[in-house]
Amino acid sequence: EDQVTQSPEALRLQEGESSSLNCSYTVSGLRGLFWYRQDPGKGPEFLFTLYSAGEEKEKERLKATLTKKESFLHITAPKPEDSATYLCAVQAAGTYKYIFGTGTRLKVLA
Amino acid sequence: DADVTQTPRNRITKTGKRIMLECSQTKGHDRMYWYRQDPGLGLRLIYYSFDVKDINKGEISDGYSVSRQAQAKFSLSLESAIPNQTALYFCATSPGHSSQETQYFGPGTRLLVL
Repeated sequence: EDQVTQSPEALRLQEGESSSLNCSYTVSGLRGLFWYRQDPGKGPEFLFTLYSAGEEKEKERLKATLTKKESFLHITAPKPEDSATYLCAVQAAGTYKYIFGTGTRLKVLA
Repeated sequence: DADVTQTPRNRITKTGKRIMLECSQTKGHDRMYWYRQDPGLGLRLIYYSFDVKDINKGEISDGYSVSRQAQAKFSLSLESAIPNQTALYFCATSPGHSSQETQYFGPGTRLLVL
């Protein structure tokens, strides 16, 4: 069964304290892996798409990496405005459906 | 203006009532989706549509129906609302012209069924 697991469920960081969020997946062939940011009461906002193992993408303080079994979202020197829930999703080969993890709730303290 | 809009943003209804949630997009995307989000369960796919004539059930379609009125409009109906349909509902779109696609989400509709 295709599955996505995110860890930790929640993370509290001090401003400037770098860390990583994990997204582990099991799919019968990966078409793509997606990272989103979601603020309370709002829709998910697209961050990155990764297609193959070894691929990396960066945007401001965020960097996403991909292996054959998991993806990491690295947050470097986070600021309070980075506080949000970060969602990971995968699209399996042979299907146009997306499987979402339950997210990591990040709180960055000033 | 937002590329993907949803109406209403909030709705309270009673058990047994029929309600419709609407989604419009200006991104020119062919593919549209409806999800619901519940605490601890993540986003779950209700229905998806690849074009006006192509509509497919997702993992949790029971109790829901959809209508794709045009490329830009995709509506979700709850035929007879029940309390466990209380959730946050999101519409999403994707381009439909490549094999690897990013979805773009609307702001959501918060639905409460009493």
